Formats: sequence, C-alpha cells, structure tokens
Amino acid sequence: DAMVIQNPRYQVTQFGKPVTLSCSQTLNHNVMYWYQQKSSQAPKLLFHYYDKDFNNEADTPDNFQSRRPNTSFCFLDIRSPGLGDAAMYLCATSRLPGGQETQYFGPGTRLLVL
Amino acid sequence: GESVGLHLPTLSVQEGDNSIINCAYSNSASDYFIWYKQESGKGPQFIIDIRSNMDKRQGQRVTVLLNKTVKHLSLQIAATQPGDSAVYFCAETGGATNKLIFGTGTLLAVQP
Repeated sequence: DAMVIQNPRYQVTQFGKPVTLSCSQTLNHNVMYWYQQKSSQAPKLLFHYYDKDFNNEADTPDNFQSRRPNTSFCFLDIRSPGLGDAAMYLCATSRLPGGQETQYFGPGTRLLVL
Repeated sequence: GESVGLHLPTLSVQEGDNSIINCAYSNSASDYFIWYKQESGKGPQFIIDIRSNMDKRQGQRVTVLLNKTVKHLSLQIAATQPGDSAVYFCAETGGATNKLIFGTGTLLAVQP
C-alpha cells in the first residue's frame, strides 16, 4: 500500500558528482514537495510543484533543482553535492496547495557525500 | 558529512504510562495543525490533525488539544508502548501557501 515512494533509500555520491533522487506517488496528488532534513532538525522545505508550476523557496541554493515529468514522479537533482548536502531528503505530497491540506511523506533518501 | 544537529528535547516515560508532548506554535493566523511521528531513519508519519475551529480531537490512543489563546498544541498518547518511541513534530499551516511550519521536535523514549 505504498503511497509515496522514494528511491533509493540510501545514496552515496562523491563530492561534486551530480546525483538524482526519485519520488513517485500513487495518490494522484497535485502537489509534490522536497524537503531536506539534517540530524535532530525539522524538515526544511526546498521547493514544491503544484501540477507543473514550480515554486522555489527563497533560501534554496541553486545547486538544487527539480523536475516533474508527470503527476506521479518528481526528481531532485543536486548538481554539485558538497559535504554540507549530506542529509535525509524527504518527498511529500498533498491533494491541493493552500491551508488545511495534509502533507504525506515518503520514507526518505539518506544521502552520503564522500 | 552532516553538520552537528541540535539536541532534541526528550520525554522519557515508562511503558503503559500516558505521554504528553507539548508544542508552542508561532503564527496566530495558522488554522490547521498536524502531529507527525518520525521513527529513526524513516519519513514523518501523519498521526492526527486538528483545525482551528476545534479545541480537542481524539484518535486511537491519541488526543490533540489546541489552545489558540496561548498558541499551544499538545499530543497525548494513552498507554504508551515501546513502538511509540520516535521523534514527534508538530506542524502548523494556514492561508494560501500550505507551507508547513515545523516545531523543533520532541524525542519520546519509552522505557520497558
């Protein structure tokens, strides 16, 4: 009954080597989000898609990009990972944007940068 | 590697006791509140939510209380079990952005 799926669960990359994380959803939700979470901290929103409209957070570094080729899939691209980008990356979805819409999270991908 | 994280507030309870986790939220315009449970190495899991037109909502073994006057939210877990051990985040949202604002998180440690 997986609803928000993230692959892989663990990803190892080298400093400066581009990496892509994947998210898919079976909920047919219109909105997909990417969060970064570091140890013992709350998730931090990077950006989200409402259908095909991309909404970037003001403090998200240019190093982070996203693609949403269709309703079900969304990708997070890190163009040149630095050591500080090692974190858990969480994908979430909601039916609609706006208040009073629950966000449902995937299991996350743990990124390690060597 | 990762930068050193903050130390989370920790609540330690005995198995079978009731747990109360508190959260102060920041935005008086927030009108929707969610509690998430996050186990180690996993994504946040929705537990229960409450809208601002309510002050109490009950689920299975969990109750959320909302006090808008003092901007306070609490999660009560009845008969706490070892499987309840996790970090609990409150989150608030409101208005048109649907941007979730997370609290700092509380680590619940259940002692057998």
